[in-house]
Amino acid sequence: QVQLVESGGGLVKPGGSLRLSCAASGFTFSDHYMNWIRQAPGKGLEWVSYIGSRSSYTNYADSVKGRFTISRDNAKNSLYLQMNSLRAEDTAVYYCARDHSSGWYYSGTFDYWGQGTLVSVSS
Amino acid sequence: EIVLTQSPGTLSLSPGERATLSCRASQSVSSRYLAWYQQKPGQAPRLLIFGASSRATGIPDRFSGSGSGTDFTLTISRLEPEDFAIYYCQQYGSSPPITFGQGTRLEIK
Repeated sequence: QVQLVESGGGLVKPGGSLRLSCAASGFTFSDHYMNWIRQAPGKGLEWVSYIGSRSSYTNYADSVKGRFTISRDNAKNSLYLQMNSLRAEDTAVYYCARDHSSGWYYSGTFDYWGQGTLVSVSS
Repeated sequence: EIVLTQSPGTLSLSPGERATLSCRASQSVSSRYLAWYQQKPGQAPRLLIFGASSRATGIPDRFSGSGSGTDFTLTISRLEPEDFAIYYCQQYGSSPPITFGQGTRLEIK
């Protein structure tokens, strides 16, 4: 069955960096676009970034552009999010999510989600 | 940016009743790119509906989606105890490509 397991969250000071990972299994990872989506405590969902199946395409929310970098390693079935210059407002649970389409296009629909990893930015 | 506004903010109903949740977009959204998710406390969201009206794998047929343009609806025909949760609509379109509604909390009356 499809499994997505995030790791790498934790407490970091403002201005610091963190790298999140998402280990995928149960499907052909290289066939799907992948996403990071976050949820601040008690708040709604915010899309952060996506990456194409072969890393050819990436896109970011304006709130993280220039600070976060999404990447993937299809040989390791893994997705990453490098987060630099972290701010208090980046505090959230970060989910990795699979794009619904297994083709060469982005459907913008998220059919499987991990359980999330908590990132807390505080001094 | 396409803003999705969900109403009501909170819906109080009893098991067995019908629930109607609304999602209104600030500009037209392609039905192909409108989805609904359910989230329970401490859990990740779960895809319910994609393409405005197609049920995701394993979703019971009491869940249905409809709408087009700027007005979309999620209907739960007969509420089961496990349906009480927060529901989000979401669209994929112009920059930023992905936006979510603020959510509707469905609570037991």
